[in-house]
Amino acid sequence: TQLLEQSPQFLSIQEGENLTVYCNSSSVFSSLQWYRQEPGEGPVLLVTVVTGGEVKKLKRLTFQFGDARKDSSLHITAAQPGDTGLYLCAPQRGSARQLTFGSGTQLTVLP
Amino acid sequence: DAGVIQSPRHEVTEMGQEVTLRCKPISGHNSLFWYRQTMMRGLELLIYFNNNVPIDDSGMPEDRFSAKMPNASFSTLKIQPSEPRDSAVYFCASSRGAANEKLFFGSGTQLSVL
Repeated sequence: TQLLEQSPQFLSIQEGENLTVYCNSSSVFSSLQWYRQEPGEGPVLLVTVVTGGEVKKLKRLTFQFGDARKDSSLHITAAQPGDTGLYLCAPQRGSARQLTFGSGTQLTVLP
Repeated sequence: DAGVIQSPRHEVTEMGQEVTLRCKPISGHNSLFWYRQTMMRGLELLIYFNNNVPIDDSGMPEDRFSAKMPNASFSTLKIQPSEPRDSAVYFCASSRGAANEKLFFGSGTQLSVL
């Protein structure tokens, strides 16, 4: 059974601060997706990382896939209130189409 | 373009009643997923279909839950009889069906069983 852990579970910061959230597992994954979910809505894909060590940037968001493809991080620079939401990681194994989601990090950015 | 459409948006029912949740996936998508989200258990996969055929229903909690996909543009998730512990937000998602494909989620159905 794969163990998937996201940390921290909750994070509350002031506008302008930087933050990093993590997604860790004991298993190796073929790829990993990050989603953001806002209240009252479904999750929305932010990025897919595939290659070990890969770094992808999406404006102020930087995503990294661990070299061993067992973990990933999301770094947000100069957080804004619009970044508030539940950040979910969803690793994928092999050719499986279905995604298993982590428990998420609930981020609140205060103005 | 229309996204994944779920109905109803909110459902309040009494214990023992039948509940039917509906989903219209994005046109052209081959895979459809039903998820359930609660504070305690997070986002759990209940069942997924590929080309209208159920592929993995190992996440369906028990026999009270059933899902159908009679055609490529419609799916239902039925709970009969409903229980208070079924209260959750139920999401439908669709994708083109290949590995690493992006999942497009609906806005969910907030179910409250009293």
